[in-house]
Amino acid sequence: NAGVTQTPKFRVLKTGQSMTLLCAQDMNHEYMYWYRQDPGMGLRLIHYSVGEGTTAKGEVPDGYNVSRLKKQNFLLGLESAAPSQTSVYFCASSSDGNSPLHFGNGTRLTVT
Amino acid sequence: DQQVKQNSPSLSVQEGRISILNCDYTNSMFDYFLWYKKYPAEGPTFLISISSIKDKNEDGRFTVFLNKSAKHLSLHIVPSQPGDSAVYFCAASADGNQFYFGTGTSLTVIP
Repeated sequence: NAGVTQTPKFRVLKTGQSMTLLCAQDMNHEYMYWYRQDPGMGLRLIHYSVGEGTTAKGEVPDGYNVSRLKKQNFLLGLESAAPSQTSVYFCASSSDGNSPLHFGNGTRLTVT
Repeated sequence: DQQVKQNSPSLSVQEGRISILNCDYTNSMFDYFLWYKKYPAEGPTFLISISSIKDKNEDGRFTVFLNKSAKHLSLHIVPSQPGDSAVYFCAASADGNQFYFGTGTSLTVIP
């Protein structure tokens, strides 16, 4: 039982490049989330999903897109990376909206 | 605008003493509150939660107190242990879909 797995763990991009972060969970959770953590800002919600095929915007969605084609996977895409997107990205999942979030170990992204 | 605030960036406590971490919120619709612990290079791990129908919840050495009128919650760790040294985040939700996190408090427990 791996929980929430994020790939890759580290990535360096040049401004304007694109990439996709993958999140996979094996707990059969309905809800999945993408957060970013920046110094002095805590964790901020980018996008979330309450079930397969659904997505919704969080606090800071601009510059990101997501897809939830399968229940166990939640993908976060950056179409044209900007230095402001340098951050640590965390994926999380939960069984429902009244249960704790289970987090992955994060992806550290640097955009130069 | 930060809806969940942790005004103390850091806290140092002697081993065996009580650690008290504080969190304030602005949205009166929040009805579910959680505390997470985070070690470097790892994701946050869930510690304890409380719903707005309660004012206290205990789990071993960890107790969370909720004061709805003051829009304040606190986490008490008794007794504090060196392994408790980590960053602690509080989080809150109003609709069960979006969880808002504070900026974190770095706790150091001195042996």
